[in-house]
Amino acid sequence: DQQVKQNSPSLSVQEGRISILNCDYTNSMFDYFLWYKKYPAEGPTFLISISSIKDKNEDGRFTVFLNKSAKHLSLHIVPSQPGDSAVYFCAARGVSGNTPLVFGKGTRLSVIA
Amino acid sequence: GAVVSQHPSWVICKSGTSVKIECRSLDFQATTMFWYRQFPKQSLMLMATSNEGSKATYEQGVEKDKFLINHASLTLSTLTVTSAHPEDSSFYICSARDDGTVMNTEAFFGQGTRLTVV
Repeated sequence: DQQVKQNSPSLSVQEGRISILNCDYTNSMFDYFLWYKKYPAEGPTFLISISSIKDKNEDGRFTVFLNKSAKHLSLHIVPSQPGDSAVYFCAARGVSGNTPLVFGKGTRLSVIA
Repeated sequence: GAVVSQHPSWVICKSGTSVKIECRSLDFQATTMFWYRQFPKQSLMLMATSNEGSKATYEQGVEKDKFLINHASLTLSTLTVTSAHPEDSSFYICSARDDGTVMNTEAFFGQGTRLTVV
């Protein structure tokens, strides 16, 4: 049973427009959420995170929104750039600092120039 | 920022041989490291949690005698794939969390190891 779901395997966006990547989770014990960006044959790199006590966190072009009641979060990238083309993984974690991350299957974002 | 180094980045081995993958935290101590495996077009699947000075905790379905984990120091964890078979071919990634930071901090990942068993 997948606890973190990214239902869109791929997304294409025009350069300069907004990219919205969605993620749903089922485990109400998750209290910290992260987005990672991954290029082929490389490890994931951390992008942005949000604690369950917040509903929005912004860092430059990247904003993550959290809707706890809907168990849904989204990553907004604006404006999108060709260098943003990668696979984006949503991840979630429980309260304890040493629990592992649970990942979604990822969404491949293609930003078209 | 914190760096996790994973070595080798790729390896090809013959069936029946063993392969060791190293995961090092370069500028921080990590009591706990995690090993993941990724199949093509799939998510990162947690294999085991590696704890310094104690036995690793394996996820259901992961053979601990097949995937040996040793976390001998606060900066090094190793994953040994024993008697490798072609179905073990995959992308293996480790991650580590900095002991010196507050609880809610991102995990840092190694570059990954592409294992091909022929």
